[in-house]
Amino acid sequence: AQSVTQLGSHVSVSEGALVLLRCNYSSSVPPYLFWYVQYPNQGLQLLLKYTSAATLVKGINGFEAEFKKSETSFHLTKPSAHMRDAAEYFCAVTNTGFQKLVFGTGTRLLVSP
Amino acid sequence: EPEVTQTPSHQVTQMGQEVILRCVPISNHLYFYWYRQILGQKVEFLVSFYNNEISEKSEIFDDQFSVERPDGSNFTLKIRSTKLEDSAMYFCASSEGASGYEQYFGPGTRLTVT
Repeated sequence: AQSVTQLGSHVSVSEGALVLLRCNYSSSVPPYLFWYVQYPNQGLQLLLKYTSAATLVKGINGFEAEFKKSETSFHLTKPSAHMRDAAEYFCAVTNTGFQKLVFGTGTRLLVSP
Repeated sequence: EPEVTQTPSHQVTQMGQEVILRCVPISNHLYFYWYRQILGQKVEFLVSFYNNEISEKSEIFDDQFSVERPDGSNFTLKIRSTKLEDSAMYFCASSEGASGYEQYFGPGTRLTVT
């Protein structure tokens, strides 16, 4: 069975600081991994995805994530936080043969001036 | 840019009533999904639909739930007899392909069962 663990339900950073949101996955076969962002009262928007090509994946809004098989991790980073990055971030996993996305519990990013 | 739309944005219903949540997926997409998010909890998969039939469903998707693509554009989720615990945000999504393809999510329908 696939699963995702997101460490930290809340992460607080100052504007301009590094953003690091952690995601560890469990999958018996090579995974496809996704990061989605949810702004208040909105749906989910894809930030980036890993589908077995380059292990360092660049996404929208300056975010990137690195797939590390040895650590079963897919952490999301951004060098410099903006106020507009304040939102809920979800890591999700699926793999070949499945269509459903299995989501983590989410991490709320708070950005202070 | 094409987007997934959902109606209504908010639905209030009484326990035991039937509700139909509607979605218009992106027009060239072939796979359709419903997810739900109970307040404060994670997003949970309900069902996927391809080629006019259910291709995958979760344990949550019991006999009270059904999905339909009544025409070439709409995709609906029906809950036959709503329970209090069905209160949640319901998201529709669609994708061009199966595993590995981006799923595009709609803005959601907030269902409140009283």
